[in-house]
Amino acid sequence: KAGVTQTPRYLIKTRGQQVTLSCSPISGHRSVSWYQQTPGQGLQFLFEYFSETQRNKGNFPGRFSGRQFSNSRSEMNVSTLELGDSALYLCASSLTGDFSGNTIYFGEGSWLTVV
Amino acid sequence: GIQVEQSPPDLILQEGANSTLRCNFSDSVNNLQWFHQNPWGQLINLFYIPSGTKQNGRLSATTVATERYSLLYISSSQTTDSGVYFCAVELGNAGGTSYGKLTFGQGTILTVHP
Repeated sequence: KAGVTQTPRYLIKTRGQQVTLSCSPISGHRSVSWYQQTPGQGLQFLFEYFSETQRNKGNFPGRFSGRQFSNSRSEMNVSTLELGDSALYLCASSLTGDFSGNTIYFGEGSWLTVV
Repeated sequence: GIQVEQSPPDLILQEGANSTLRCNFSDSVNNLQWFHQNPWGQLINLFYIPSGTKQNGRLSATTVATERYSLLYISSSQTTDSGVYFCAVELGNAGGTSYGKLTFGQGTILTVHP
């Protein structure tokens, strides 16, 4: 079966711009989580969506937002980009978002560079 | 919040050597997973192991939940094992608020030379 698909894979943006990243989970998976990975902070949880509802949110400013569509595809948006937003953004999907016994699958990520 | 510490931070091996990676966590957890991040950035799930021992080929993992640590063993290492290994946990007794949230350690960078 197809894995988790993230687009775009690489992108360069200018400070102050906004960016939208997309994630298509594995077919049948209804939970999508987003993570930010930077050399300094490591992997940090952004938010999780299940059936179009945000159920959990990490400690990030309001510039970071997301949504999920009825087909479980998810997008995340970062507005007013800052240099510190340069990172690898990873999307993960699972059946329910409850990891007990459920395998979580990550996409290959979107590499964002802010200049 | 919960602290997840991995050791060693870096590990360099010759092909064929064995290694042990450690993960300590500061609170009770519902779930613990080991991941391997390949050079392209993708995280591959190696083990779901909140307790006990599991083996998959040359890899095995043990979690002692009561003592709050987990070990990942790599035997007869190969160059393709190179990459970053992460331990990640899901908080215990979170009352449903941990949906989708894993807390990651800082990782162990493994380099296997031929």
